[in-house]
Amino acid sequence: LAKTTQPISMDSYEGQEVNITCSHNNIATNDYITWYQQFPSQGPRFIIQGYKTKVTNEVASLFIPADRKSSTLSLPRVSLSDTAVYYCLGGRGSARQLTFGSGTQLTVLP
Amino acid sequence: NAGVTQTPKFQVLKTGQSMTLQCAQDMNHEYMSWYRQDPGMGLRLIHYSVGAGITDQGEVPNGYNVSRSTTEDFPLRLLSAAPSQTSVYFCASTPSDSAYVEQYFGPGTRLTVT
Repeated sequence: LAKTTQPISMDSYEGQEVNITCSHNNIATNDYITWYQQFPSQGPRFIIQGYKTKVTNEVASLFIPADRKSSTLSLPRVSLSDTAVYYCLGGRGSARQLTFGSGTQLTVLP
Repeated sequence: NAGVTQTPKFQVLKTGQSMTLQCAQDMNHEYMSWYRQDPGMGLRLIHYSVGAGITDQGEVPNGYNVSRSTTEDFPLRLLSAAPSQTSVYFCASTPSDSAYVEQYFGPGTRLTVT
């Protein structure tokens, strides 16, 4: 399992781009990096997943450099509704091996 | 599709009582799982199931039982509630037991044991 490390919290202002970096030094060859978002009083929600380089969808972008020892979730032009906990997961194989750590609490300020 | 549904949303139990947390999904997913989330912590896996009739223990299974008689339902039973089981419980499902596939989570059940 890839052990991931991410900041405990981050603050941003509305309209700014937010980058949350996740460190995963022991990532294995077949590990993918997955990010989930959790709003208060809700279950986590899948945001994006990638293996290397850049992946983009309607919600976010995920940048994974060539050495794959870290990854960056980029949220363009955040709004107050993006305030949530963001989890970085690294893993391969079975779903039961994915580990949700403490995540990063992103607070978007007006 | 309703996705993953959980009932009840809130529950208060006294120590020693038993109860069942219900989880259902309408996406025909084979893999289902239960997590608990404690304040300031991530999610910890309690039990999981890779298909009807097949269940196994996760990271923190003590004090909990599960069964999977149908593809749709995956109830979690607390046999004798303890204050340490005060937590928020999430059920999740995914098409297969794969780390590469999106997991769908329910809205959670907030349980307080006094």
